Amino acid sequence: NAGVTQTPKFQVLKTGQSMTLQCAQDMNHNSMYWYRQDPGMGLRLIYYSASEGTTDKGEVPNGYNVSRLNKREFSLRLESAAPSQTSVYFCASKIRDRDNSPLHFGNGTRLTVT
Amino acid sequence: KNEVEQSPQNLTAQEGEFITINCSYSVGISALHWLQQHPGGGIVSLFMLSSGKKKHGRLIATINIQEKHSSLHITASHPRDSAVYICAVPGGGADGLTFGKGTHLIIQP
Repeated sequence: NAGVTQTPKFQVLKTGQSMTLQCAQDMNHNSMYWYRQDPGMGLRLIYYSASEGTTDKGEVPNGYNVSRLNKREFSLRLESAAPSQTSVYFCASKIRDRDNSPLHFGNGTRLTVT
Repeated sequence: KNEVEQSPQNLTAQEGEFITINCSYSVGISALHWLQQHPGGGIVSLFMLSSGKKKHGRLIATINIQEKHSSLHITASHPRDSAVYICAVPGGGADGLTFGKGTHLIIQP
């Protein structure tokens, strides 16, 4: 039982390049989330998908797009990377949105944009 | 939006010491989450509690809903407890959660 699997673990991009972060969960969770974590700040929500077929903006969506490919997979795309997007990105899932069930996190992707 | 304050930001202690990490929030909530982020970066949920106290091994979490305050205690601390501990409460963004900035704990042998 893998839980939440995120790829890649590390990535270096040049300004203007694009990339997609992949996330998959095998727990049959309805809700999936993308967060970024920056030094001195709490986790901030980029986008989320409360259920298959829906996606919504979080606190810091600018510069990102997402796709909820199916119930298992939720990808995050940077169309034109900027140095301000240097961060650690976490995917998470839980049974359903806005309940008090625990979040399950992936291991993170450390992204550097030069 | 719920404001979350954690203290201390950094804590270094000796193995065996009793550890307390605090979390205060500004708006009443139904439940609070404690998370642990390992030095390697992975994040795991430790507790979700809505009242009173929960215990898991050497970790104890308490919450006082009236005072809008929660504490995470570690008894008989060990170097493997070294991690960042994060509290999160509802009332924030679209996912309903606002995260604290975390407490960086180092337990020295």
